[in-house]
Amino acid sequence: DAKTTQPTSMDCAEGRAANLPCNHSTISGNEYVYWYRQIHSQGPQYIIHGLKNNETNEMASLIITEDRKSSTLILPHATLRDTAVYYCIVLIIQGAQKLVFGQGTRLTINP
Amino acid sequence: KAGVTQTPRYLIKTRGQQVTLSCSPISGHRSVSWYQQTPGQGLQFLFEYFSETQRNKGNFPGRFSGRQFSNSRSEMNVSTLELGDSALYLCASSFAPGQSNYGYTFGSGTRLTVV
Repeated sequence: DAKTTQPTSMDCAEGRAANLPCNHSTISGNEYVYWYRQIHSQGPQYIIHGLKNNETNEMASLIITEDRKSSTLILPHATLRDTAVYYCIVLIIQGAQKLVFGQGTRLTINP
Repeated sequence: KAGVTQTPRYLIKTRGQQVTLSCSPISGHRSVSWYQQTPGQGLQFLFEYFSETQRNKGNFPGRFSGRQFSNSRSEMNVSTLELGDSALYLCASSFAPGQSNYGYTFGSGTRLTVV
């Protein structure tokens, strides 16, 4: 699985958009980009995933660059409940596999 | 619908003992994965089961084992506990091995403390 690089921590004001970057320069053509988050002492929560095109769901938007070497997770109107560690993971959707979690980005939403 | 249920939520064991943790996946999910989370190593994959068969295994010693039952419920066992086994153990389920359109769904975990 391709390795990802994320900033260790970020801050964002409540109500503003939180933009979390992820570099995955060694991603291969059949690897998807997944985002999970983990709120303190809970299990990770799936947020969104994509292959090439930008994706949006009720939680967030995912912007993947044309060369697929980086992506950005966007929380459009961050709330205090979005304070969590956010993990960017790349992997192939097929067969037995494992999620390889890096250290993630600790996002703090400030009032 | 009910989420992934892990029992017990908290557990304290003594070095040398063994422990069994349980995971009930979301109804209809047949794949169950286990992860260990520690402050030092972060989240690490232990193993994945599907149709009662282990499909993938992480780099953990043989003291860590698991199994899956015909109803997809899974258990993991750690024998001869060491202090370093203190961790949050997380279970995740999906319809089948690999990611569904909604990714893996994680439980809240079992926090194991070895003293």
